[in-house]
Amino acid sequence: AQSVTQLGSHVSVSEGALVLLRCNYSSSVPPYLFWYVQYPNQGLQLLLKYTTGATLVKGINGFEAEFKKSETSFHLTKPSAHMSDAAEYFCAVIKGNKLVFGAGTILRVKS
Amino acid sequence: EAQVTQNPRYLITVTGKKLTVTCSQNMNHEYMSWYRQDPGLGLRQIYYSMNVEVTDKGDVPEGYKVSRKEKRNFPLILESPSPNQTSLYFCASSLRDHIGDEQFFGPGTRLTVL
Repeated sequence: AQSVTQLGSHVSVSEGALVLLRCNYSSSVPPYLFWYVQYPNQGLQLLLKYTTGATLVKGINGFEAEFKKSETSFHLTKPSAHMSDAAEYFCAVIKGNKLVFGAGTILRVKS
Repeated sequence: EAQVTQNPRYLITVTGKKLTVTCSQNMNHEYMSWYRQDPGLGLRQIYYSMNVEVTDKGDVPEGYKVSRKEKRNFPLILESPSPNQTSLYFCASSLRDHIGDEQFFGPGTRLTVL
């Protein structure tokens, strides 16, 4: 079975600080992993994805994530938070023909 | 503009009154899917379709129906809505029937069932 766990339903950072959003997956096979972002009153938008190859994946808006098989993790980071990064972030993994999402992490950026 | 559209965006209805939420994409995508989003639960897949006339259940299909008669359209039907179907619904599509492709999401439909 494959599922994802996002640690922390809410994360608050100061503008300019490091953003770290945690995602752990359970999988018996190499996974396809995704991070999506949802801005207020909008649909989801793909930030980045890992399929195969390089374990450090760069996405849009300065975000990146590192696939660590030994830790079954796919944490999302950004070196310096911007006010416009305030949103809800979802980690997701492929399960058969379906995309299974984590519960989401709401990122708040303080000025 | 390439997009996924949903209608209506907001809907308040009463228990038992049949309703349909439409979804349409103009990207010639093969794969389409419906999700519901509830606080603390993330997005859960209701139904998906890998191509015309091919649909399958997701994780929470009870109380919902779908059809895929045309490639661009994938309506979600609630034959007899109940209050536990109050939720935010998203339609999504991707280019191929391989779920590893990026999914493009519609703007969402907020449904309230009284």
